[in-house]
Amino acid sequence: EDQVTQSPEALRLQEGESSSLNCSYTVSGLRGLFWYRQDPGKGPEFLFTLYSAGEEKEKERLKATLTKKESFLHITAPKPEDSATYLCAVQAGKDSSYKLIFGSGTRLLVRP
Amino acid sequence: DAGVTQSPTHLIKTRGQQVTLRCSPKSGHDTVSWYQQALGQGPQFIFQYYEEEERQRGNFPDRFSGHQFPNYSSELNVNALLLGDSALYLCASSTDRGYYGYTFGSGTRLTVV
Repeated sequence: EDQVTQSPEALRLQEGESSSLNCSYTVSGLRGLFWYRQDPGKGPEFLFTLYSAGEEKEKERLKATLTKKESFLHITAPKPEDSATYLCAVQAGKDSSYKLIFGSGTRLLVRP
Repeated sequence: DAGVTQSPTHLIKTRGQQVTLRCSPKSGHDTVSWYQQALGQGPQFIFQYYEEEERQRGNFPDRFSGHQFPNYSSELNVNALLLGDSALYLCASSTDRGYYGYTFGSGTRLTVV
C-alpha cells in the first residue's frame, strides 16, 4: 500500500537554528514528490516538486532533496515567519493515478 | 491572476443534512480534485474531475458526490452528514490531470453538529 510518513511530528527551533524535516515513502512507481507549506486555517501552498532520486531544489531558506526512499526538507537559518506545517505528498505512477497521498505533516515553530 | 476560489469559507450543518461546496479552479486549469483534511492530519483524496467526469475516487462512501461544469468549476456534495464529516474540505486544481502538481484553495471549514 502506498504510504507517506513524516518526522518529526513537531519541531521547535530558535531563529537561525538550521534543521531538516524527513519524508519517508513507499509507493509503486513514484511519479513525483511534492512539498507544501500550510498555515493554520489555510490551504496548502506549493513549495517544490521532485521527480527523480538525486534531484534537489532550493527556494530562499528551503532546500528539498530526494532519494529512492525518502525526501528531506532542509531549513537554513529559519525565521519566525517560516513557522507553519510542512506537508509531503507523493503521486504514484501506477494505474494512471494522479491523486496525492499526503503525510500527516511536521509542525514547525521558529522562536525569535 | 485569481487562484483557486472556494465557497463558502465556513459552514455549520446538522447531522443528516446535505451540503454543497463550490470551487472555481485557477485560470487555465482543467482538472479539479477534492480533499478532506481532519484536524492535525494530512489531506485525504476524495475524487478528481476531468472533462466533466469523475476520473478517480478515493476511499469515501457514496454519500460524497461531485460534479464538474463546462467552465471547469466544481461542486462537492455530501448527503446524510455525520459528525465525522466535520473537516476542512480543500479543492485543488491543475493541468494535465495533476502531473505537475496542484494549486489548492483555502478550503471550506465544515462543522457538523
